[in-house]
Amino acid sequence: GESVGLHLPTLSVQEGDNSIINCAYSNSASDYFIWYKQESGKGPQFIIDIRSNMDKRQGQRVTVLLNKTVKHLSLQIAATQPGDSAVYFCAENLSGSARQLTFGSGTQLTVLP
Amino acid sequence: DGGITQSPKYLFRKEGQNVTLSCEQNLNHDAMYWYRQDPGQGLRLIYYSQIVNDFQKGDIAEGYSVSREKKESFPLTVTSAQKNPTAFYLCASSPPRATEAFFGQGTRLTVV
Repeated sequence: GESVGLHLPTLSVQEGDNSIINCAYSNSASDYFIWYKQESGKGPQFIIDIRSNMDKRQGQRVTVLLNKTVKHLSLQIAATQPGDSAVYFCAENLSGSARQLTFGSGTQLTVLP
Repeated sequence: DGGITQSPKYLFRKEGQNVTLSCEQNLNHDAMYWYRQDPGQGLRLIYYSQIVNDFQKGDIAEGYSVSREKKESFPLTVTSAQKNPTAFYLCASSPPRATEAFFGQGTRLTVV
């Protein structure tokens, strides 16, 4: 079946540097893509989403890029801070309804002092 | 404050016992969901409910049961038929036509 995956399971960056977390998806019919942040022992928090008719969307210190040609999604975090250390995972939405979310396994981001 | 409350945070169960995980939301969301999270894996959908008194099986419903008697509450029972119940369980909700789900803080269930 279709699945959402991540290129790298772990990522370490220096505090203040920019972070880039990648995600590959395989279902070209997916209409929405969402990034979540999950801190240890806690529930996921919504970060940002992007619709399939967009290439880029910016939030506060975060930018999501969508490349439909190669079915690739990335999350860029500017000026990474210690509080950004967490697992980040993407989700794809097939129908525009939250019940059709498919989640990737996640990338552990560690911010080094 | 509005949000989703899961309880307890940690739960221990003996083999052969049923156990119920609580999920309450005061966001006035119609839809609620239960997911299971295992190390190194993505969230997997157990059950979801779009409206009171109605619920549907997700991808891994075997060994689980739910009820939706009130809009605010969506308890999950892990039955003795669930062969590998040790996991982190997440409850979520979403308003109508939402594309994302909003999560509680999770319950970590351990079978001893």
